[in-house]
Amino acid sequence: AQSVTQLGSHVSVSEGALVLLRCNYSSSVPPYLFWYVQYPNQGLQLLLKYTSAATLVKGINGFEAEFKKSETSFHLTKPSAHMSDAAEYFCAVSDRKTSYDKVIFGPGTSLSVIP
Amino acid sequence: DTAVSQTPKYLVTQMGNDKSIKCEQNLGHDTMYWYKQDSKKFLKIMFSYNNKELIINETVPNRFSPKSPDKAHLNLHINSLELGDSAVYFCASSQLRQSHNSPLHFGNGTRLTVT
Repeated sequence: AQSVTQLGSHVSVSEGALVLLRCNYSSSVPPYLFWYVQYPNQGLQLLLKYTSAATLVKGINGFEAEFKKSETSFHLTKPSAHMSDAAEYFCAVSDRKTSYDKVIFGPGTSLSVIP
Repeated sequence: DTAVSQTPKYLVTQMGNDKSIKCEQNLGHDTMYWYKQDSKKFLKIMFSYNNKELIINETVPNRFSPKSPDKAHLNLHINSLELGDSAVYFCASSQLRQSHNSPLHFGNGTRLTVT
Protein backbone atom coordinates (compact mmCIF):
# COMPACT_ATOMS: atom_id res chain seq x y z
CA ALA A 1 0.00 0.00 0.00
CA GLN A 2 1.09 3.53 -0.63
CA SER A 3 1.70 6.01 2.18
CA VAL A 4 3.03 9.47 2.84
CA THR A 5 4.98 10.90 5.75
CA GLN A 6 5.59 14.55 6.45
CA LEU A 7 8.48 15.41 8.73
CA GLY A 8 7.50 18.14 11.15
CA SER A 9 3.88 18.67 12.10
CA HIS A 10 4.62 22.35 12.58
CA VAL A 11 7.10 24.64 10.83
CA SER A 12 7.75 28.31 11.62
CA VAL A 13 9.61 30.65 9.31
CA SER A 14 10.21 34.38 9.26
CA GLU A 15 8.59 36.48 6.57
CA GLY A 16 10.92 36.53 3.57
CA ALA A 17 12.74 33.34 4.58
CA LEU A 18 12.88 30.08 2.65
CA VAL A 19 10.00 27.67 3.15
CA LEU A 20 10.85 23.95 3.11
CA LEU A 21 8.17 21.39 3.88
CA ARG A 22 9.26 17.77 3.75
CA CYS A 23 7.39 14.85 2.25
CA ASN A 24 8.47 11.24 1.76
CA TYR A 25 6.38 8.59 0.11
CA SER A 26 6.21 4.86 -0.05
CA SER A 27 5.02 3.24 -3.24
CA SER A 28 5.63 -0.01 -5.08
CA VAL A 29 4.80 1.59 -8.43
CA PRO A 30 5.68 5.01 -9.88
CA PRO A 31 3.57 7.39 -7.84
CA TYR A 32 1.58 10.45 -8.61
CA LEU A 33 2.26 13.07 -5.98
CA PHE A 34 0.47 16.21 -4.90
CA TRP A 35 0.68 19.11 -2.51
CA TYR A 36 -2.54 20.63 -1.24
CA VAL A 37 -2.98 23.70 0.98
CA GLN A 38 -5.75 24.28 3.51
CA TYR A 39 -6.43 27.78 4.79
CA PRO A 40 -8.37 28.15 8.05
CA ASN A 41 -12.00 27.08 7.81
CA GLN A 42 -11.66 26.14 4.16
CA GLY A 43 -11.32 23.03 2.08
CA LEU A 44 -8.08 21.91 0.46
CA GLN A 45 -6.76 23.46 -2.75
CA LEU A 46 -4.26 21.91 -5.12
CA LEU A 47 -0.86 23.64 -5.09
CA LEU A 48 0.92 21.39 -7.57
CA LYS A 49 1.18 17.83 -8.83
CA TYR A 50 3.81 15.44 -10.17
CA THR A 51 2.64 13.02 -12.84
CA SER A 52 5.95 11.63 -14.19
CA ALA A 53 6.84 14.49 -16.52
CA ALA A 54 9.39 17.04 -15.27
CA THR A 55 10.84 16.24 -11.85
CA LEU A 56 10.74 19.90 -10.81
CA VAL A 57 7.14 21.00 -10.62
CA LYS A 58 5.99 24.58 -10.30
CA GLY A 59 2.72 25.42 -8.63
CA ILE A 60 0.64 28.37 -7.62
CA ASN A 61 1.70 31.16 -5.29
CA GLY A 62 5.41 30.69 -6.02
CA PHE A 63 5.67 27.16 -4.63
CA GLU A 64 7.57 24.36 -6.29
CA ALA A 65 8.46 20.77 -5.49
CA GLU A 66 11.10 18.37 -6.72
CA PHE A 67 10.51 14.65 -7.18
CA LYS A 68 13.57 12.62 -6.17
CA LYS A 69 13.08 8.94 -6.79
CA SER A 70 16.35 7.92 -5.11
CA GLU A 71 15.25 9.62 -1.90
CA THR A 72 11.51 8.84 -2.31
CA SER A 73 10.91 12.50 -1.56
CA PHE A 74 8.74 15.31 -2.85
CA HIS A 75 9.67 18.33 -0.73
CA LEU A 76 7.82 21.63 -1.14
CA THR A 77 9.75 24.89 -1.27
CA LYS A 78 9.18 28.60 -1.68
CA PRO A 79 12.10 31.06 -1.80
CA SER A 80 10.47 33.80 0.25
CA ALA A 81 7.63 33.28 2.73
CA HIS A 82 4.70 35.66 2.84
CA MET A 83 2.29 36.14 5.71
CA SER A 84 -0.50 34.81 3.51
CA ASP A 85 1.32 31.44 3.24
CA ALA A 86 0.36 30.54 6.81
CA ALA A 87 -1.81 27.43 6.40
CA GLU A 88 -1.87 23.65 6.66
CA TYR A 89 -0.02 21.82 3.89
CA PHE A 90 -0.74 18.25 2.87
CA CYS A 91 1.38 15.99 0.73
CA ALA A 92 -0.57 13.25 -1.00
CA VAL A 93 0.04 10.20 -3.16
CA SER A 94 -2.27 8.63 -5.66
CA ASP A 95 -3.01 4.99 -4.94
CA ARG A 96 -3.83 3.23 -8.19
CA LYS A 97 -6.30 0.37 -8.08
CA THR A 98 -7.85 -1.17 -11.13
CA SER A 99 -9.45 1.57 -13.18
CA TYR A 100 -9.54 4.23 -10.51
CA ASP A 101 -7.30 5.56 -7.84
CA LYS A 102 -7.70 7.20 -4.52
CA VAL A 103 -5.64 9.95 -2.98
CA ILE A 104 -3.84 9.16 0.28
CA PHE A 105 -3.00 12.22 2.33
CA GLY A 106 -0.10 12.72 4.70
CA PRO A 107 -0.69 13.98 8.24
CA GLY A 108 -0.12 17.61 7.26
CA THR A 109 2.34 20.33 8.25
CA SER A 110 1.14 23.56 9.78
CA LEU A 111 3.16 26.52 8.50
CA SER A 112 3.42 29.68 10.59
CA VAL A 113 4.99 32.85 9.19
CA ILE A 114 6.49 35.25 11.71
CA PRO A 115 6.51 38.93 10.79
CA ASP B 1 -20.36 30.78 -7.85
CA THR B 2 -19.30 28.14 -5.33
CA ALA B 3 -17.90 25.07 -7.11
CA VAL B 4 -18.45 22.48 -4.36
CA SER B 5 -20.93 23.49 -1.69
CA GLN B 6 -21.83 21.65 1.48
CA THR B 7 -24.64 22.23 3.93
CA PRO B 8 -24.76 22.74 6.77
CA LYS B 9 -21.46 24.40 7.65
CA TYR B 10 -21.87 23.54 11.32
CA LEU B 11 -23.87 20.70 12.87
CA VAL B 12 -24.21 20.19 16.60
CA THR B 13 -26.26 17.22 17.75
CA GLN B 14 -26.63 14.68 20.52
CA MET B 15 -25.50 11.10 20.60
CA GLY B 16 -27.94 8.67 19.07
CA ASN B 17 -29.43 11.16 16.62
CA ASP B 18 -29.50 10.74 12.83
CA LYS B 19 -28.23 13.55 10.62
CA SER B 20 -27.49 14.27 6.98
CA ILE B 21 -24.94 16.42 5.18
CA LYS B 22 -25.59 17.56 1.64
CA CYS B 23 -23.10 18.25 -1.11
CA GLU B 24 -23.50 19.68 -4.57
CA GLN B 25 -20.97 20.47 -7.27
CA ASN B 26 -21.54 22.68 -10.31
CA LEU B 27 -18.29 21.79 -12.08
CA GLY B 28 -19.77 19.06 -14.23
CA HIS B 29 -17.47 16.48 -12.60
CA ASP B 30 -18.21 12.78 -12.76
CA THR B 31 -16.65 11.72 -9.46
CA MET B 32 -17.46 12.83 -5.92
CA TYR B 33 -15.98 11.94 -2.55
CA TRP B 34 -16.47 12.19 1.18
CA TYR B 35 -13.43 12.72 3.39
CA LYS B 36 -13.26 12.87 7.18
CA GLN B 37 -10.76 15.18 8.89
CA ASP B 38 -10.17 14.48 12.56
CA SER B 39 -9.07 16.86 15.30
CA LYS B 40 -5.41 16.31 14.39
CA LYS B 41 -6.14 17.38 10.80
CA PHE B 42 -5.66 13.83 9.49
CA LEU B 43 -7.68 13.40 6.31
CA LYS B 44 -9.12 10.03 5.35
CA ILE B 45 -11.27 9.04 2.41
CA MET B 46 -14.63 7.48 3.23
CA PHE B 47 -16.50 7.03 -0.04
CA SER B 48 -16.30 7.82 -3.71
CA TYR B 49 -19.00 7.78 -6.37
CA ASN B 50 -18.49 7.93 -10.11
CA ASN B 51 -21.58 8.93 -12.05
CA LYS B 52 -23.83 7.66 -9.23
CA GLU B 53 -21.93 4.38 -8.88
CA LEU B 54 -20.11 3.60 -5.62
CA ILE B 55 -16.42 2.94 -6.44
CA ILE B 56 -14.63 3.43 -3.14
CA ASN B 57 -16.00 2.30 0.19
CA GLU B 58 -13.39 2.40 2.91
CA THR B 59 -13.70 0.72 6.27
CA VAL B 60 -16.46 2.94 7.52
CA PRO B 61 -19.17 1.88 10.01
CA ASN B 62 -22.39 1.02 8.23
CA ARG B 63 -24.06 3.80 10.22
CA PHE B 64 -22.66 5.99 7.44
CA SER B 65 -24.58 5.76 4.19
CA PRO B 66 -23.82 7.88 1.14
CA LYS B 67 -26.44 8.58 -1.46
CA SER B 68 -25.96 10.03 -4.91
CA PRO B 69 -29.26 10.98 -6.57
CA ASP B 70 -27.36 12.32 -9.60
CA LYS B 71 -23.74 12.96 -10.48
CA ALA B 72 -23.87 16.53 -9.16
CA HIS B 73 -24.98 15.53 -5.66
CA LEU B 74 -23.53 13.28 -2.99
CA ASN B 75 -25.18 13.27 0.42
CA LEU B 76 -24.00 11.61 3.60
CA HIS B 77 -26.43 10.22 6.13
CA ILE B 78 -25.25 9.18 9.55
CA ASN B 79 -27.35 7.06 11.88
CA SER B 80 -27.02 6.71 15.66
CA LEU B 81 -24.33 9.35 16.00
CA GLU B 82 -21.46 8.68 18.40
CA LEU B 83 -18.97 10.99 20.10
CA GLY B 84 -16.19 9.66 17.85
CA ASP B 85 -18.04 10.91 14.78
CA SER B 86 -17.15 14.48 15.71
CA ALA B 87 -14.95 15.76 12.90
CA VAL B 88 -14.95 17.95 9.83
CA TYR B 89 -16.45 16.21 6.82
CA PHE B 90 -15.33 17.35 3.39
CA CYS B 91 -17.03 16.72 0.12
CA ALA B 92 -14.83 16.80 -2.99
CA SER B 93 -15.16 16.21 -6.69
CA SER B 94 -12.89 15.47 -9.63
CA GLN B 95 -13.46 15.40 -13.35
CA LEU B 96 -12.14 11.92 -13.92
CA ARG B 97 -11.74 8.82 -11.84
CA GLN B 98 -7.96 9.00 -12.08
CA SER B 99 -6.99 11.95 -9.97
CA HIS B 100 -3.56 12.47 -11.51
CA ASN B 101 -5.33 13.92 -14.50
CA SER B 102 -7.88 15.81 -12.48
CA PRO B 103 -7.26 17.40 -9.09
CA LEU B 104 -9.70 17.18 -6.23
CA HIS B 105 -11.93 20.20 -5.65
CA PHE B 106 -13.03 20.46 -2.03
CA GLY B 107 -15.99 22.06 -0.34
CA ASN B 108 -15.44 24.16 2.77
CA GLY B 109 -16.38 21.36 5.12
CA THR B 110 -19.08 20.56 7.64
CA ARG B 111 -17.98 20.66 11.26
CA LEU B 112 -19.95 17.98 13.10
CA THR B 113 -19.97 18.06 16.89
CA VAL B 114 -21.65 15.23 18.76
CA THR B 115 -22.40 15.88 22.43
